[in-house]
Amino acid sequence: GDSVTQMEGPVTLSEEAFLTINCTYTATGYPSLFWYVQYPGEGLQLLLKATKADDKGSNKGFEATYRKETTSFHLEKGSVQVSDSAVYFCALSAQGGYQKVTFGTGTKLQVIP
Amino acid sequence: NAGVTQTPKFQVLKTGQSMTLQCAQDMNHEYMSWYRQDPGMGLRLIHYSVGAGITDQGEVPNGYNVSRSTTEDFPLRLLSAAPSQTSVYFCASSYGTGLGYTFGSGTRLTVV
Repeated sequence: GDSVTQMEGPVTLSEEAFLTINCTYTATGYPSLFWYVQYPGEGLQLLLKATKADDKGSNKGFEATYRKETTSFHLEKGSVQVSDSAVYFCALSAQGGYQKVTFGTGTKLQVIP
Repeated sequence: NAGVTQTPKFQVLKTGQSMTLQCAQDMNHEYMSWYRQDPGMGLRLIHYSVGAGITDQGEVPNGYNVSRSTTEDFPLRLLSAAPSQTSVYFCASSYGTGLGYTFGSGTRLTVV
């Protein structure tokens, strides 16, 4: 079945550092790929998505590129802020109608001033 | 535009009690789902609905019931609460799951 593997956390960075959170997946066909962010005490928010190979999703300075050849969707940001401290979830879903969404287990990011 | 609204935000139940977690969305989304989030286990799908009157089981449906009488509302019923149901519950909705979900802010449930 489908699966998503993301790097174990927590990840601790200093403000303005470069961020990479790795995500790899196993799926049949061409799923949509997502990054969600969860701030403390809140629900998940869709951060960015990509629906086909080589697509780049971007939002709020975060980027991720759909790499079919390496089955990866790594999240990057050039300069993190304290306000980016949250848990980040990689996820995938087959396209078309209702399809089961498979989530990774989440990576906690802590940014220190 | 409220998005997905969940009530209550916090609840403490005694073992054996029943209760209903409410979920409402105002985006006219067809698809709605209930997840539970537990430490180290990510999100697990409890039940989902692809439209009014149509529901189905997810990965962990035991001990929970759902119904979908309207497009807007998708309540989750705990029939006889058990300590294993202590968790954070999220409702989510979408036009299509390939497009991404909108999540509610969650209900933190403790069963003692």
